[in-house]
Amino acid sequence: DIQMTQSPSSLSASVGDRVTITCRASQGISNYLAWYQQKPGKVPKLLIYAASTLQSGVPSRFSGSGSGTDFTLTISSLQPEDVATYYCQKYNSAPFTFGPGTKVDIK
Amino acid sequence: EVQLVESGGVVVQPGGSLRLSCAASGFTFDDYAMHWVRQAPGKGLEWVSLISWDGGSTYYADSVKGRFTISRDNSKNSLYLQMNSLRAEDTALYYCAKEGRTVPFDYWGQGTLVTVSS
Repeated sequence: DIQMTQSPSSLSASVGDRVTITCRASQGISNYLAWYQQKPGKVPKLLIYAASTLQSGVPSRFSGSGSGTDFTLTISSLQPEDVATYYCQKYNSAPFTFGPGTKVDIK
Repeated sequence: EVQLVESGGVVVQPGGSLRLSCAASGFTFDDYAMHWVRQAPGKGLEWVSLISWDGGSTYYADSVKGRFTISRDNSKNSLYLQMNSLRAEDTALYYCAKEGRTVPFDYWGQGTLVTVSS
């Protein structure tokens, strides 16, 4: 099975900072990569799919890139409401594995 | 408005069985594949199982294969997860999630908590 890894596991940044999270698949998954945001105590929310397509209603400060095995999620200007754990997920075929998550908070 | 409402989570002893339900509304249920995803307390997301729109295809994570069975009743707009031979490591919040036509999990329920403990 394909394994998903993320780095860093956590980060602390200031409001307005540019934040980048990396996700790596152990084998190529084309662009079948999604990003989810889970705020504390809340349900996960789809942010980005097809590696770079923003889900409807998601602020434009979020962006995704990559293909194959290496992907990134970027928050161009971190806001207080972005405090959350971010997960990548492969969805080309079962198992639909999630990455271990990256916890983002405000410095 | 799409709504997914899980139920059935309780405290159960190791080795026991449980059936979770997910009631769907606000969309044409039998047009979409559905998933179960779980999250152990303080841990990350773990995909559990997938069922196709018509129930004809099912897939499982290795951690639950042979113990869990996913099913659906399109006449009742409902998704199910039959969980047998439960273990302590199955303790988690179980979410049902809808798969979109070209997107992955676009809607999630609020989850139902399963606790496996003696």
